[in-house]
Amino acid sequence: DQQVKQNSPSLSVQEGRISILNCDYTNSMFDYFLWYKKYPAEGPTFLISISSIKDKNEDGRFTVFLNKSAKHLSLHIVPSQPGDSAVYFCAASANFGNEKLTFGTGTRLTIIP
Amino acid sequence: GAVVSQHPSWVICKSGTSVKIECRSLDFQATTMFWYRQFPKQSLMLMATSNEGSKATYEQGVEKDKFLINHASLTLSTLTVTSAHPEDSSFYICSAILGTGVGEQYFGPGTRLTVT
Repeated sequence: DQQVKQNSPSLSVQEGRISILNCDYTNSMFDYFLWYKKYPAEGPTFLISISSIKDKNEDGRFTVFLNKSAKHLSLHIVPSQPGDSAVYFCAASANFGNEKLTFGTGTRLTIIP
Repeated sequence: GAVVSQHPSWVICKSGTSVKIECRSLDFQATTMFWYRQFPKQSLMLMATSNEGSKATYEQGVEKDKFLINHASLTLSTLTVTSAHPEDSSFYICSAILGTGVGEQYFGPGTRLTVT
């Protein structure tokens, strides 16, 4: 039972444009969501998070949007840069981040120069 | 801040031997650490939750006698793969929660285990 889903396994975006990565979840108990960036053979790097009491959180080029009614969140990266090319995982947790993370399957983002 | 290290970064061992992997939070104390494994082109799968001073909580399907977890201090958790088999070959990653309340999990760089 995949409680966190990233339906796009890959995404290609031109440098300078906006990258939008999507994530859906099914468990209503999730109240904290995170995005991680991962390179092969490395641990995930934390990017940005959002609590269920918010619908938007912004940090530099990264913005995460949360639509609780649709159980959907998205990560916007603007402008996209070549160094953003990596696999992006969304993750969800209960108890405001103090519980175990459930990861999505990942989306490979490729930024085209 | 919020740096998590793992040692070793890669290890090769023979079938039947045991391997210990260390996970350290370098600049913060972590009462809770997590151990994940990742197979090629797949997502991270949680193996167990490690709590300082108490027994680890294992996810369904993970053999606790095979994957021994010890969280002896607020900055160190260890995972020992006992009697390793080739199917245990994988990428093992630990994480630690920074702070209490709303907490992001920070991950170590991972350990590549190859069992021959």
